Amino acid sequence: GENVEQHPSTLSVQEGDSAVIKCTYSDSASNYFPWYKQELGKRPQLIIDIRSNVGEKKDQRIAVTLNKTAKHFSLHITETQPEDSAVYFCAASSNRDDKIIFGKGTRLHILP
Amino acid sequence: SAVISQKPSRDICQRGTSLTIQCQVDSQVTMMFWYRQQPGQSLTLIATANQGSEATYESGFVIDKFPISRPNLTFSTLTVSNMSPEDSSIYLCSVVRTGNEKLFFGSGTQLSVL
Repeated sequence: GENVEQHPSTLSVQEGDSAVIKCTYSDSASNYFPWYKQELGKRPQLIIDIRSNVGEKKDQRIAVTLNKTAKHFSLHITETQPEDSAVYFCAASSNRDDKIIFGKGTRLHILP
Repeated sequence: SAVISQKPSRDICQRGTSLTIQCQVDSQVTMMFWYRQQPGQSLTLIATANQGSEATYESGFVIDKFPISRPNLTFSTLTVSNMSPEDSSIYLCSVVRTGNEKLFFGSGTQLSVL
């Protein structure tokens, strides 16, 4: 089955700087890669996603890149703000069974 | 996004008892899943709830411990049976809407087992 590795587990960046979270996946059949943000005590919220036929996708301060050959994908947050502090999860899924498998998460701290 | 109603939102239960969690969606969905999130941990898939048939369980999860029903396209239940303190966790219903691959989560059920 699919296995998703995520790094780092914790990340602290100065407000205004950029944050990068990296993930790798094992199943070459995976073709859909969403990212979720979870604030304390709340449900995970989808923030951006990318399909395997696209190498990069951007939505305002958030971007995701995908290297299908290397089986890794990354989340980039620019001009970080205090409200970006949360736990971020990457995930992967394939058409074979539509199951979405999550990485272990990255706790992002934005320092004032 | 789909409106996903999950209840109860939290419960405190005694060891050896069972709890049934309900998940109701406002529109037809293709896939319904149940996840578990232990304190400070990631989201672990328990099973895929299949309409009108037995759920598909992930490794480490069995039907006797986590029976799941899905009688129609918009409703599912997860039962946590014969609970022990190790079952203390947040249980999350999640859905993929028809025609949309995106996965959305319910608000979760925080379960504490004494």
